[in-house]
Amino acid sequence: DAGVIQSPRHEVTEMGQEVTLRCKPISGHNSLFWYRQTMMRGLELLIYFNNNVPIDDSGMPEDRFSAKMPNASFSTLKIQPSEPRDSAVYFCASSPPSPNDPTDTQYFGPGTRLTVL
Amino acid sequence: GEDVEQSLFLSVREGDSSVINCTYTDSSSTYLYWYKQEPGAGLQLLTYIFSNMDMKQDQRLTVLLNKKDKHLSLRIADTQTGDSAIYFCAESPGAGSYQLTFGKGTKLSVIP
Repeated sequence: DAGVIQSPRHEVTEMGQEVTLRCKPISGHNSLFWYRQTMMRGLELLIYFNNNVPIDDSGMPEDRFSAKMPNASFSTLKIQPSEPRDSAVYFCASSPPSPNDPTDTQYFGPGTRLTVL
Repeated sequence: GEDVEQSLFLSVREGDSSVINCTYTDSSSTYLYWYKQEPGAGLQLLTYIFSNMDMKQDQRLTVLLNKKDKHLSLRIADTQTGDSAIYFCAESPGAGSYQLTFGKGTKLSVIP
């Protein structure tokens, strides 16, 4: 299995520009998570989808952030307009349905390092 | 809400044991996890412990759980330079839930 795939791996953009981060979860997984990691705040859950439906978006910082999951194999996280304080590593993770094994928990992608100048 | 606390840094000499500590607040936690993040990579599950256990050993890793004090620790025996990474403690609020609350991570530096 290819694991969780994220693109791009690195993104450098200027303040005010729109940024779109992409994620392909592991095939068969039905839960998807977007996290943001910074030195100051650590790992923060932004949004959680189950069966393509957003279940908990309480971690989305503000209206500039939006996330979609149009189908089971693709999700996007969009920032518009971007600001320097959005600079962070953004991780996508997925997990399978009704597992019997507690090790079958969240599988993380390699992350997208976003720099907003 | 739930909270998971970890010290931010730990430095040990190669060959020594490392002990990374974590405290959590949610008494309903079912599973507690340790994840490892190597530089430039995502988090990978290292090990877990069920809340009704007090110890779990897996090769060089030993997890200790004090449920009364809500304290979790990860001991790495014979620490190697390849163990240098950030270690995250995480708790799961209930059986079958995949929502994890993570600590801020402990950066382990191994001195050759």
